[in-house]
Amino acid sequence: QKEVEQNSGPLSVPEGAIASLNCTYSDRVSQSFFWYRQYSGKSPELIMSIYSNGDKEDGRFTAQLNKASQYVSLLIRDSQPSDSATYLCARKGVGGSQGNLIFGKGTKLSVKP
Amino acid sequence: EAGVAQSPRYKIIEKRQSVAFWCNPISGHATLYWYQQILGQGPKLLIQFQNNGVVDDSQLPKDRFSAERLKGVDSTLKIQPAKLEDSAVYLCASSLGTGRNNEQFFGPGTRLTVL
Repeated sequence: QKEVEQNSGPLSVPEGAIASLNCTYSDRVSQSFFWYRQYSGKSPELIMSIYSNGDKEDGRFTAQLNKASQYVSLLIRDSQPSDSATYLCARKGVGGSQGNLIFGKGTKLSVKP
Repeated sequence: EAGVAQSPRYKIIEKRQSVAFWCNPISGHATLYWYQQILGQGPKLLIQFQNNGVVDDSQLPKDRFSAERLKGVDSTLKIQPAKLEDSAVYLCASSLGTGRNNEQFFGPGTRLTVL
């Protein structure tokens, strides 16, 4: 399986700032990308999906996809302490692995009050 | 809408023992996945079912792991015999299908500790 790369962090931002999380992938065929949030001791929770180049906004979250450069990012505006979690980037498998998700190791975000 | 259900939530066993996990997906979801998440890593797919058929089990250690989804709804994952390195969280997820827009939803997971 081709890899999904994330900086493991921790990424520390002050409350109210913009948190920027980045992810690169090596399989040019991938079409679907997802961001999951995982609180300590909990299971991953889907927060954003993106399939087309450009930006997709949902509340305080913006996902950005650039297929030519093979990166996807997540911006969290007005970061809150409750956003402190590990953020997992995932791409959907293709071909024989269609449907399953290939995850990065996650970036740990800490939002300081 | 009820989410993905899993049981047990926690399990502690000794190496060489066997263990089984159960998953009930979201109603109407045809695709079911089992992932293994080792501490500090992202989830890794073990097996994917479409209804009651296996789509992908290429990363399942078949000498010790087995899984079934006999009636196309709930599923069980078994480890026999367990090794120390099997200590992980076992996550079940489901989706409507395998298309690119089909999103996966995870259950609460089973945390396995092998001593």
